[in-house]
Amino acid sequence: GENVEQHPSTLSVQEGDSAVIKCTYSDSASNYFPWYKQELGKRPQLIIDIRSNVGEKKDQRIAVTLNKTAKHFSLHITETQPEDSAVYFCAAFRAYSGAGSYQLTFGKGTKLSVIP
Amino acid sequence: DSGVTQTPKHLITATGQRVTLRCSPRSGDLSVYWYQQSLDQGLQFLIQYYNGEERAKGNILERFSAQQFPDLHSELNLSSLELGDSALYFCASSPTGGMDYGYTFGSGTRLTVV
Repeated sequence: GENVEQHPSTLSVQEGDSAVIKCTYSDSASNYFPWYKQELGKRPQLIIDIRSNVGEKKDQRIAVTLNKTAKHFSLHITETQPEDSAVYFCAAFRAYSGAGSYQLTFGKGTKLSVIP
Repeated sequence: DSGVTQTPKHLITATGQRVTLRCSPRSGDLSVYWYQQSLDQGLQFLIQYYNGEERAKGNILERFSAQQFPDLHSELNLSSLELGDSALYFCASSPTGGMDYGYTFGSGTRLTVV
């Protein structure tokens, strides 16, 4: 099955600096890569996603890049703010043809702390 | 409110017991996914149901089972509970089985086994 590795596990940055979180995946059939933000005790919430036919996507201060050849994708947060502090999860999605089944595999998460 | 409803929010039970977690998907969503999140761990996929049928299984223990009912709500049954089963259990739903519209997560059920 799919395996998603995420680094670093913890990340501390000064407010206003940039943060980068990196993920690698193992299954070349994975074709959709969402990122989730989870605040303490709350549900994961989708913040940005990218499909395998796109190399980069940006939404205000958040951007995601994808390198299909190397099977890695990254989340970039610029001008970080204290409210960006949370755990961020990357994930890789693939469909299993014929069975009509789908699986979203998550990385283990990165705890981002933005220091005011 | 995400539209995905999970009950109960908290559950404390003893080892060896059995519990049932409930999930109501967003209106119109046909797929339900169950995930387990242990302390300092990521989200482990347990099982997926689509329109009442099991579609995919992850690392779900034999002591765990699930089903999706005709009204599309789903229940996750955990039996012979062990201390290590203590975790946050999330349910997510999507309109189809694919990622066309992404997954929407519920607020989770925090299970504590003592």
